[in-house]
Amino acid sequence: GQQVMQIPQYQHVQEGEDFTTYCNSSTTLSNIQWYKQRPGGHPVFLIQLVKSGEVKKQKRLTFQFGEAKKNSSLHITATQTTDVGTYFCGTGGGGSNYKLTFGKGTLLTVNP
Amino acid sequence: NAGVTQTPKFQVLKTGQSMTLQCAQDMNHNSMYWYRQDPGMGLRLIYYSASEGTTDKGEVPNGYNVSRLNKREFSLRLESAAPSQTSVYFCASTRGSSGVNEQYFGPGTRLTVT
Repeated sequence: GQQVMQIPQYQHVQEGEDFTTYCNSSTTLSNIQWYKQRPGGHPVFLIQLVKSGEVKKQKRLTFQFGEAKKNSSLHITATQTTDVGTYFCGTGGGGSNYKLTFGKGTLLTVNP
Repeated sequence: NAGVTQTPKFQVLKTGQSMTLQCAQDMNHNSMYWYRQDPGMGLRLIYYSASEGTTDKGEVPNGYNVSRLNKREFSLRLESAAPSQTSVYFCASTRGSSGVNEQYFGPGTRLTVT
């Protein structure tokens, strides 16, 4: 099945700094989904990307899907303490089971 | 709508005991999933049910069984718990049709096996 590597594993920033997490694959991906999990909580869907070169924005969050559809990134501008959590990418195989394979996640901590 | 609900929220078992984790969704979703989450390991798929009446193994199925009781409910059973099964278990569901199929997660069950 498809696998995705997520880097970095941890990132600590000062409030106001930017943050980026990357999701990489050796094979072409049919889609990428991004989730956020607050400490002690459950993953919550943020967005799905399906097109080559696609860029989507949600307020301070920018999501990109690479031209070759082998990588994706999530960038947060001017982090806030509310951004703390683990960010996961997940990819579906495009089959009829709609299952996802997740990266191991990037834990973001923000120093106020 | 309650979304995805899971019971229990916490459980402590002794090695060799059995238990069933319950999951239900009220969104009329076709597909349901069970994951385990361990530190540094991300979310690993245990079993899934693409549609009512079907179940399939995921990445880490050993030691578990599942039942898709009806469209709403998908249970996970540990027949003989082992310390290696100490983890946080999440149930998730998705529409399972064309378009964006985001997964909705339950609040999780925190299981400790001693």
